[in-house]
Amino acid sequence: ENVLTQSPGTLSLSPGERVTLSCRASQTISSSYLAWYQQKPGQAPRLLLYGASARPTGIPDRFSGSGSGTDFTLTISRLEPEDFAVYYCQQFGTSQVTFGGGTKVEI
Amino acid sequence: QLQVQESGPGLVKPSETLSLTCTVSGGSITSSSYYWAWLRQPPGKGLECIGTIYYNGDTNYNPSLKSRVTISIDASKNQFSLNLGSVTAADTAVYYCARQMGWTLSRPFDYWGQGTLVTVSS
Repeated sequence: ENVLTQSPGTLSLSPGERVTLSCRASQTISSSYLAWYQQKPGQAPRLLLYGASARPTGIPDRFSGSGSGTDFTLTISRLEPEDFAVYYCQQFGTSQVTFGGGTKVEI
Repeated sequence: QLQVQESGPGLVKPSETLSLTCTVSGGSITSSSYYWAWLRQPPGKGLECIGTIYYNGDTNYNPSLKSRVTISIDASKNQFSLNLGSVTAADTAVYYCARQMGWTLSRPFDYWGQGTLVTVSS
């Protein structure tokens, strides 16, 4: 099983700041096998990015993804008030989906 | 607009079977481009994929739950279901059904239900 570790656990930031969230895999994967989600309290997760950098319809371009090998990042170029949430990375490998433990972005 | 909606009991007794149904509307469950998934999230914790099913009935289960899980599909009702047997308090979680994109390597989940809290308690 490819274990995904996200760090830090919590980030305290202000609107307007740039933020980079880390997702480290225990085994090498292609960025094409990685996705990112946003989850707000009491809501289901929302897909932000998939296949490394593709954004579903409606996702703002301030969200971007990068990385290769075992280290991947989600970048929010300029935090908006609605971006304060928990972010999860997810990978698909050997027919199994696994998620990272999440990073909380708080004010 | 596709919608998926979970339904089922919110309280299950230990050792019994948890049964949930997901109803898909606004799209066909028999589309060859997608899989259909059950995921869960214990209170205050992260996400876990329980398993997925394809329109032809092919399933893929999380190895840690495989011995207790059955996912089935009813195309005539545009529904798929989850049965999780021999539940314990550790199975208390918000259970989500979701659509999984089958054509992209990351197999992400693009449509989610609102989630339903299932508590295991006597």
